[in-house]
Amino acid sequence: GQQVMQIPQYQHVQEGEDFTTYCNSSTTLSNIQWYKQRPGGHPVFLIQLVKSGEVKKQKRLTFQFGEAKKNSSLHITATQTTDVGTYFCAGRAGGTSYGKLTFGQGTILTVHP
Amino acid sequence: NAGVTQTPKFQVLKTGQSMTLQCAQDMNHNSMYWYRQDPGMGLRLIYYSASEGTTDKGEVPNGYNVSRLNKREFSLRLESAAPSQTSVYFCASRGWLTEAFFGQGTRLTVV
Repeated sequence: GQQVMQIPQYQHVQEGEDFTTYCNSSTTLSNIQWYKQRPGGHPVFLIQLVKSGEVKKQKRLTFQFGEAKKNSSLHITATQTTDVGTYFCAGRAGGTSYGKLTFGQGTILTVHP
Repeated sequence: NAGVTQTPKFQVLKTGQSMTLQCAQDMNHNSMYWYRQDPGMGLRLIYYSASEGTTDKGEVPNGYNVSRLNKREFSLRLESAAPSQTSVYFCASRGWLTEAFFGQGTRLTVV
């Protein structure tokens, strides 16, 4: 079955440093979504990427979708304490499993002031 | 709009007891999901319903059953709770090609 792997599992940074998390799928994805979960909260949608090679930016966050549509990354420039939380990627394969949404294990980001 | 509503928020069960987690969405979404979240394991899909009238197993379906009661409601049942089912459970819903919206979660402890 489809597997979505995410690395690293944990990342500790000093405030102001950059942060990157990577997502890899065992199968080609129709699209990929990124979510953020604050401690004690529920996952909240950040962005969706659909096209091969797509790059999208949200202020200090840059999202990329690989050319083969099997990998993706989230990069945060100059982290702030408000960036603390767990970042998940979620992939949807096409075909008969179109309803299924598989999440990676998540990257837990800690930002030290 | 309430979005996705899960009940209860907290629950303690004894081993062997049964319970049903309720989930309802008011966004007219076709797809609904149940995930469990354990430390270091991310969000693991238990069951999902791509549309009203259908349900499919996810990665970790053993020990659970689901019912898609109508388009709005998707319930998760534990027939005989085990300590390994101690977890945080999230219900989510999603429209066609849109993002998933999550409920607030149910924190379940089985003793």
